[in-house]
Amino acid sequence: NAGVMQNPRHLVRRRGQEARLRCSPMKGHSHVYWYRQLPEEGLKFMVYLQKENIIDESGMPKERFSAEFPKEGPSILRIQQVVRGDSAAYFCASSGEPGHPTYEQYFGPGTRLTVT
Amino acid sequence: GQQLNQSPQSMFIQEGEDVSMNCTSSSIFNTWLWYKQDPGEGPVLLIALYKAGELTSNGRLTAQFGITRKDSFLNISASIPSDVGIYFCAGSIHSGGGADGLTFGKGTHLIIQP
Repeated sequence: NAGVMQNPRHLVRRRGQEARLRCSPMKGHSHVYWYRQLPEEGLKFMVYLQKENIIDESGMPKERFSAEFPKEGPSILRIQQVVRGDSAAYFCASSGEPGHPTYEQYFGPGTRLTVT
Repeated sequence: GQQLNQSPQSMFIQEGEDVSMNCTSSSIFNTWLWYKQDPGEGPVLLIALYKAGELTSNGRLTAQFGITRKDSFLNISASIPSDVGIYFCAGSIHSGGGADGLTFGKGTHLIIQP
């Protein structure tokens, strides 16, 4: 499967625990984006990363949320000390280099986070 | 912040009918994209538009990038049951040569009645 991969697909955490969401971009893509979707809402941009660099984190909450895209391995979205309001679907997208024919963002299947 | 307004919010149509939905913005976007999302899945890219005034087709789907760069519409001809889902418009301030976080509308729910 050459598409964007996310795991886990479903994650249940108790309030105060940490949540780690993983994203492997499409083969050949080096740009990763994270979005959050609340029920009955559209997707909201959170952060845009390239390998080892955060390019734009204007949509990230200031506290408890962080993201990385290391030189090796998947991109990680980390949520510390989760609260019930963090319950949502989190989607990762990837794209090729700007100007590359496959510039468009392609999405993974998402991780559904439930905080109890 | 930037917002995209999609209408209608939901559509109830008969199989075989044509569908039209649109997306408007108070600010300019230089790239428009249309996605479809099925329950429990991620959005799937349908059409990408890069030039103002551009009309692009993908099978039974046709989308246009408004000349003012503040709107776009999506048409689906001869709807079939598998067209059911939520359709999202998304905009980027960058042209095809750039990359940034997309701004999404709230979606149009398409429901097909037998």
